[in-house]
Amino acid sequence: EAGVVQSPRYKIIEKKQPVAFWCNPISGHNTLYWYRQNLGQGPELLIRYENEEAVDDSQLPKDRFSAERLKGVDSTLKIQPAELGDSAVYLCASSLAGTSGHNEQFFGPGTRLTVL
Amino acid sequence: GESVGLHLPTLSVQEGDNSIINCAYSNSASDYFIWYKQESGKGPQFIIDIRSNMDKRQGQRVTVLLNKTVKHLSLQIAATQPGDSAVYFCAERGHNAGNNRKLIWGLGTSLAVNP
Repeated sequence: EAGVVQSPRYKIIEKKQPVAFWCNPISGHNTLYWYRQNLGQGPELLIRYENEEAVDDSQLPKDRFSAERLKGVDSTLKIQPAELGDSAVYLCASSLAGTSGHNEQFFGPGTRLTVL
Repeated sequence: GESVGLHLPTLSVQEGDNSIINCAYSNSASDYFIWYKQESGKGPQFIIDIRSNMDKRQGQRVTVLLNKTVKHLSLQIAATQPGDSAVYFCAERGHNAGNNRKLIWGLGTSLAVNP
């Protein structure tokens, strides 16, 4: 079974430019997460989707970040315009919904963004 | 080898030795804890979890210990192998209603296994 797929793996842009990341979750996983991870730190949740609905976007900087998950499958995360401080690894994860309260998150390899 | 809390971010051990990675969590109301392993260039990978009604759980070569009194979590790796070299994160799940409750991640501990 294919895992979570992300592209691109690496992206280098100049500040003030736009950038977009794409994620394809594990087939059948209706919950999708976008995280930002700085070196040596744990991932920071940016947004969580249940199907098409963003159910937690409290940590998403909405002035420059946007995300969408059309049709409840693939998702894109966009930054416009990018700032130097946005340099980080952007991780996508997915999980199954359930009633057990434990829904293991499966992570993609991430996109490493460098803003110059 | 053993790390002490999150103030020692690097743990170096000899191949074959046992490793202990420690984590202090923040919320006494957290009811679920997970250890993740993250290799260079990859996303975090689930290793083992434990619920707050337990104090020990064993997996293959790994054991997680939970001490709720002092809000301390540890990951023990038996017979550490070069493939265990990675950054290890503990995460706690907040005690909020609903499934997929938000994970709160600790700082990573880098484990280096010397051959």
